[in-house]
Amino acid sequence: DVQLLESGGGLVQPGGSLRLSCAASGFTFSSYAMSWVRQAPGKGLEWVSSISSTGGSTYYADSVKGRFTISRDNSKNTLYLQMNSLRAEDTAVYYCAKDIGYRPLYFDYWGQGTLVTVSS
Amino acid sequence: DIQMTQSPSSLSASVGDRVTITCRASQGISNYLAWYQQKPGQVPKLLIYATSTLQSGVPSRFSGSRSGTDFTLTISSLQPEDVATYYCQKYNSAPPITFGQGTRLEIK
Repeated sequence: DVQLLESGGGLVQPGGSLRLSCAASGFTFSSYAMSWVRQAPGKGLEWVSSISSTGGSTYYADSVKGRFTISRDNSKNTLYLQMNSLRAEDTAVYYCAKDIGYRPLYFDYWGQGTLVTVSS
Repeated sequence: DIQMTQSPSSLSASVGDRVTITCRASQGISNYLAWYQQKPGQVPKLLIYATSTLQSGVPSRFSGSRSGTDFTLTISSLQPEDVATYYCQKYNSAPPITFGQGTRLEIK
């Protein structure tokens, strides 16, 4: 079975940094693009970032461009999201999502999410 | 960027009713549209991709269609377990990947 397990969320002050991880299992990780999608409390889904299967291409929403960095380690079956210069509006549950192919399209599996709270 | 506008934002219907949710793209996106279901307290689940193809395991009462830039998710006979928020997502020329605002569906 496909499993995606996020970790690394927590409480951080505005301007701070956090690194999220997503450990994947049950599929050939290196064959699929991966993405991060977030959901602010009581709000809808917002795409954050995607990375191609090889890691050679990365994509970001305008709201996080220049502050967040997506990466992956295919030898460890793990996806990362380095979040810097965090703002209150970044507060959300962050989901790791598996894409259906080698480049970002849509998502057939989602992790349970990790909560990031940006507050002083 | 292409915007996706969902309507209604919420709706209440009775068990057995036919329910329709619409998603309008600001530009043509061909059939590059997916629908997700997010039940309360759960993670999103892929229901439909390529406008009308049901993901494996999704009940046949769910269906999708398209007319121009208007996309429709239909539940032919609403069941109690269908209470959820539904999101559309366009993926032509992705990224950026864009979700609709969501439609909250409740049982009357």
